[in-house]
Amino acid sequence: EAQVTQNPRYLITVTGKKLTVTCSQNMNHEYMSWYRQDPGLGLRQIYYSMNVEVTDKGDVPEGYKVSRKEKRNFPLILESPSPNQTSLYFCASSASGQESSYEQYFGPGTRLTVT
Amino acid sequence: GDSVTQMEGPVTLSEEAFLTINCTYTATGYPSLFWYVQYPGEGLQLLLKATKADDKGSNKGFEATYRKETTSFHLEKGSVQVSDSAVYFCALSGIWSGNTGKLIFGQGTTLQVKP
Repeated sequence: EAQVTQNPRYLITVTGKKLTVTCSQNMNHEYMSWYRQDPGLGLRQIYYSMNVEVTDKGDVPEGYKVSRKEKRNFPLILESPSPNQTSLYFCASSASGQESSYEQYFGPGTRLTVT
Repeated sequence: GDSVTQMEGPVTLSEEAFLTINCTYTATGYPSLFWYVQYPGEGLQLLLKATKADDKGSNKGFEATYRKETTSFHLEKGSVQVSDSAVYFCALSGIWSGNTGKLIFGQGTTLQVKP
């Protein structure tokens, strides 16, 4: 089954304790992205990756890091989480190229609470 | 910059009522347009898409037509069910080359269908 998986689904942590949210896709997609969803603000892009070893900032990258060492994986790293990073996070992937319609497939989400 | 504007919710309808959720966009070039749906506690699922002017996307009884002249992509369904209760997001994606590939979302419209 084609899917994007994220782990963990729920996480409660304390300020300053480094954490990683994993994301994996099995569709051989070149493009992957992280979004956060906040009430009243909709979904905003954090980081994206056009392919292995190619990453770039989205609209709200502060306080986050990513890496893309393998095509299927795109982890989101919070080196020193703060309460304002409490949010619902989504990973997404997409095929690229002329034949793609650029639709993105989303993971189930990770609800992060930073106290 | 590119943007998407959706009608504000929540929208409350009785079962079997007709649904319209308005969506308009501003974009350079010819974006692809999407409707995503988020059921309670779940991630975003692609509902339908249209990649060029006058295309009609359809799925599960929902339809939307890409209207370039009015820069709109309104979502419609002839007879809603309680199971359609969810948050609906209109989104656009620009051309791949020279673009971040990110989806630009509207704020989302909550639909509640009562029996």
